[in-house]
Amino acid sequence: EEQLLESGGGLVQPGGSLRLSCAASGFILSSYAMSWVRQAPGKGLEWVSSICVGGDTTHYAESVKGRFTISRDNSKNTLYLYMNSLRADDTAVYYCAKNLGTGCYATHGYWGQGTLVTVSS
Amino acid sequence: DIVMTQTPDSLAVSLGERATINCKSSQSVFYSSNNRNYLTWYQQLPGQPPKLLIYWATTRESGVPDRFSGSGSGTDFTLTISSLQAEDVAIYYCQQHYSIPFTFGPGTKVDIK
Repeated sequence: EEQLLESGGGLVQPGGSLRLSCAASGFILSSYAMSWVRQAPGKGLEWVSSICVGGDTTHYAESVKGRFTISRDNSKNTLYLYMNSLRADDTAVYYCAKNLGTGCYATHGYWGQGTLVTVSS
Repeated sequence: DIVMTQTPDSLAVSLGERATINCKSSQSVFYSSNNRNYLTWYQQLPGQPPKLLIYWATTRESGVPDRFSGSGSGTDFTLTISSLQAEDVAIYYCQQHYSIPFTFGPGTKVDIK
């Protein structure tokens, strides 16, 4: 059975950093494009970043470009999101999602349960 | 950026009745080289992560009940629940994955009347 388990969320001060992890099981992470999507409390969904198969090609929303980095460790079957220079408006539940297939331009087929990031002093 | 709009913002439907949600993109999400609309529908139950319902605008994900169907092409799309069940109370989102950034609609909340 496929599973995605996010971790690493928590309370961080503005300007701080955090690393989110998404441990995959039941499938080989390196065979799929993967994405991060976030949802601010009581708000809608916002795509954050995607990493294509191979890991050389990544895409970011303008709101996080230059501050966030998506990567994967295939040996650990784990996806990461490194978040720097965090701002209050980064406060959200962060979901990792497995795309349908290898392409970054593919539907987010399966989602984890999410991890909450709160940026506040 | 492609802007996604959804109508209505919310709707309440009697059990067994039809629910219709519309989604419009600010530009076409149809890719002629593969004849596909890069449009997806998700369902988010209360307190849960989103779940894939429909992709390529009309393809139902495996395991999704056949009361859910998607239609449309280009810029105008519709999600239809043919006979609303209690377990369908949720927020429904459309998303385009035609161009970066992949944008979502604001969501439509579906309730029981």
